[in-house]
Amino acid sequence: NAGVTQTPKFRVLKTGQSMTLLCAQDMNHEYMYWYRQDPGMGLRLIHYSVGEGTTAKGEVPDGYNVSRLKKQNFLLGLESAAPSQTSVYFCASSRALVAGHTDTQYFGPGTRLTVL
Amino acid sequence: AQSVTQPDIHITVSEGASLELRCNYSYGATPYLFWYVQSPGQGLQLLLKYFSGDTLVQGIKGFEAEFKRSQSSFNLRKPSVHWSDAAEYFCAVGAGMDSNYQLIWGAGTKLIIKP
Repeated sequence: NAGVTQTPKFRVLKTGQSMTLLCAQDMNHEYMYWYRQDPGMGLRLIHYSVGEGTTAKGEVPDGYNVSRLKKQNFLLGLESAAPSQTSVYFCASSRALVAGHTDTQYFGPGTRLTVL
Repeated sequence: AQSVTQPDIHITVSEGASLELRCNYSYGATPYLFWYVQSPGQGLQLLLKYFSGDTLVQGIKGFEAEFKRSQSSFNLRKPSVHWSDAAEYFCAVGAGMDSNYQLIWGAGTKLIIKP
């Protein structure tokens, strides 16, 4: 099993460009998450999904869109990149438990994005 | 609202010394509790978790954590640290639908090992 994979690993964008980050998991997990990590800020949730075809906003959703058309994939889009979106982006997936609890979140290796 | 506090941003310990990293949470019911480790340039890896049962849980790499309901704490411990333990450690709390299927994350504690 590959676990959680993220594509690409690195990307440099110019302000105003768009891009899509792809997350794929092969563990048949129901829940998937997109986080960003900035120095001194810990992990901040951008968007998440509790099932195929469903998405929801996290703590910092502005400037991002997501889609989960297939259970194993979770896409994060930046429509018009801004320097403030320079960050490391992590995708995670987890099994659903009772009462909405999430089991262990498994993380991808991250995508390092720089917006000039 | 639920919250997680890791009071120490940085901790420095000598190699071979014992370690305790603190984690306090705010939630009315019993949460699901996690500790993760992040080595430089890597993603996060689960060290251990607590859902129910024995309040002392063992994890990977010789770590353990104890859930103390009365103190709303889930502190991480290791009897003797190794240089390879230098990393950032995150505590996370799950409150099910009360936290909208998410984990609430602490800000992290960076562990520095002195030779």
